[in-house]
Amino acid sequence: DTGVSQDPRHKITKRGQNVTFRCDPISEHNRLYWYRQTLGQGPEFLTYFQNEAQLEKSRLLSDRFSAERPKGSFSTLEIQRTEQGDSAMYLCASSSGVEQFFGPGTRLTVL
Amino acid sequence: AQTVTQSQPEMSVQEAETVTLSCTYDTSESDYYLFWYKQPPSRQMILVIRQEAYKQQNATENRFSVNFQKAAKSFSLKISDSQLGDAAMYFCAPNAGGTSYGKLTFGQGTILTVHP
Repeated sequence: DTGVSQDPRHKITKRGQNVTFRCDPISEHNRLYWYRQTLGQGPEFLTYFQNEAQLEKSRLLSDRFSAERPKGSFSTLEIQRTEQGDSAMYLCASSSGVEQFFGPGTRLTVL
Repeated sequence: AQTVTQSQPEMSVQEAETVTLSCTYDTSESDYYLFWYKQPPSRQMILVIRQEAYKQQNATENRFSVNFQKAAKSFSLKISDSQLGDAAMYFCAPNAGGTSYGKLTFGQGTILTVHP
């Protein structure tokens, strides 16, 4: 098992553009979480899937953000009309029990 | 809603010495887990140790141990025989139950520096 992977690792975009990130969880992990981490801060919860069902969304997740997990495998997080305030590290984690295993993150820079 | 406070933005320790990182939290859950995660510079988050709230015995994992005071909602991490590889940002995080199962609420973090 290679762990949780995220793609891309880095993304630079211009304000107003759309971006999409992908997360591949550890195989057979039925739960998948997205968090956002700004520099020097702890991660903040964004959303959570159990299999393909999105069970909770944070109020941090504005209408410009959408996440999917088709077929309960990989997940995508899309940000539409990016703003400079979206610049952050986006972390994905998966679990089948209590412990969450984190991926390396996607660092987004919005110019 | 859960809140987590790590009151020490930075801590430093000499190699081979012991250091304790503090954490207090607030939760309305009756059954939950508490975690300490480590995030080395430019590397991914890894689990250091976990504590089940219903267990009175403090968790221990090699050089890492916790002091869990449920009534006081305090969850400190003790690192014994500190090593250079322990240098990282440390986060305290309780998880949520119910329909939010597993969702973690992180503190602000404590940067640990280990001096040779």
